[in-house]
Amino acid sequence: DIQMTQSPSTLSASVGDRVTITCRASQSISSWLAWYQQKPGKAPKLLIYKASSLESGVPSRFSGSGSGTEFTLTISSLQPDDFATYYCQQYNSFWTFGQGTKVDIK
Amino acid sequence: EVQLVESGGGLVQPGGSLRLSCAASGFTFRSYEMNWVRQAPGKGLEWVSYISGGGETVYYADSVKGRFTISRDNAKNSVYLQMNSLRAEDTAVYYCARVLTQRMDVWGKGTTVTVSS
Repeated sequence: DIQMTQSPSTLSASVGDRVTITCRASQSISSWLAWYQQKPGKAPKLLIYKASSLESGVPSRFSGSGSGTEFTLTISSLQPDDFATYYCQQYNSFWTFGQGTKVDIK
Repeated sequence: EVQLVESGGGLVQPGGSLRLSCAASGFTFRSYEMNWVRQAPGKGLEWVSYISGGGETVYYADSVKGRFTISRDNAKNSVYLQMNSLRAEDTAVYYCARVLTQRMDVWGKGTTVTVSS
């Protein structure tokens, strides 16, 4: 099974900050990685797929990069609506999520 | 509008059964694979099961294999999850999600399953 590890688990930031979340796969997954945003009591929302492709309707301040085993999600300028939990997910072999990164207000 | 609506959750005793449903609308349902994903209280996301567009191919997470069965009725635009031999650790919000080139691009709002005596 492919394991996904995110860091950090929690990130405190201010509006306007540049935020970076890292995701590491236990084996190479090429670019078969997605990022999701989840707010309390809500379903996850797809942000990024194939490591760096922006889902339709998602603001351009979100970007993804990486391949193989190392990936990053970057929010270029954090907005009030961005405080949420973010999950990476591999879909190279079935589906596995990272444990999540909570972005909260500093 | 593309939409997924789950139903069928509730309180069930350990060892009991429950059948979840997910009704799809706004897209050609039979053309899409579907997943079930769950989230235990305060925990992360866990993929549970997959079904192909025609229903011929199914996959399960090891944690539910042999206890859960996924199925679909394309005439009713619905996917189902039959859950048997339920355990306390199956307590979670269950989401259905549309699969597009392996990523999950549309999610329902979820239905809550609580396994407790």
